[in-house]
Amino acid sequence: EAGVTQFPSHSVIEKGQTVTLRCDPISGHDNLYWYRRVMGKEIKFLLHFVKESKQDESGMPNNRFLAERTGGTYSTLKVQPAELEDSGVYFCASSQVAGYSYEQYFGPGTRLTVT
Amino acid sequence: AQRVTQPEKLLSVFKGAPVELKCNYSYSGSPELFWYVQYSRQRLQLLLRHISRESIKGFTADLNKGETSFHLKKPFAQEEDSAMYYCALSGRGANSKLTFGKGITLSVRP
Repeated sequence: EAGVTQFPSHSVIEKGQTVTLRCDPISGHDNLYWYRRVMGKEIKFLLHFVKESKQDESGMPNNRFLAERTGGTYSTLKVQPAELEDSGVYFCASSQVAGYSYEQYFGPGTRLTVT
Repeated sequence: AQRVTQPEKLLSVFKGAPVELKCNYSYSGSPELFWYVQYSRQRLQLLLRHISRESIKGFTADLNKGETSFHLKKPFAQEEDSAMYYCALSGRGANSKLTFGKGITLSVRP
C-alpha cells in the first residue's frame, strides 16, 4: 500500500513569491491534515479536511495560506506571498474514520526555505 | 487550551540501560495520547497510543490521569531505538487534530 506522498520534497523560494505544496493521502482516507514544524519549535496543526470540507482551520497562521482539497482526494497548500517566517517543514497526514481513535499516517514532509 | 510538555530535549544512554521519556499534558476532557517516532531519514510514524495498551518494540506508556502524564518507558535500550520521539494528544470524535510536544532526541550508545 502506498503511503502518504508529498511534493515537492524541498522548495527554495524568495520572499514574496508563491509556492504550492501538494499532498496525496492514502487512498480511501477521508481525513487529511496539514502540520508544520518551524525551526526549533514543535510540530503545529494547520488544518483538517474531512473529504473536501474544511473541518478545522484554526491553525492557519494568516490569509496568505490557502488550502484546498477538490474532490476529496489530494490537497494543495498555497503560500502567497511567502515570508521568511514561513520557512519550515510542512507535513501532511491522513487517516480513516476508524471508530474510537484515529491513527494518522504522515508523509515525508516538504522542506520550505524562504530567502 | 491543550498542551503537551516534553521537558527534556535530549536523552543519551548506553545500550541496555533503561529509558524513560517524559510527557505531561493539559487538556479539558478525555484526550487520546500518542507517542510518535521519527528515525533518521524516515517519516514520522505512530509508535503507540494509550487506548491500545500495547507494547511496541519493547516500549510501553501508561496514561496517568491524576498526574496528567504519559511517559514512555523501555527497560533495556537498543541502538536502533535512537530517534526523535514526540508525545502528542488529540481530542475525540471530530476534534482529531494532534497537538505535539517539542520532541526529545534519544541517543543510545553502544
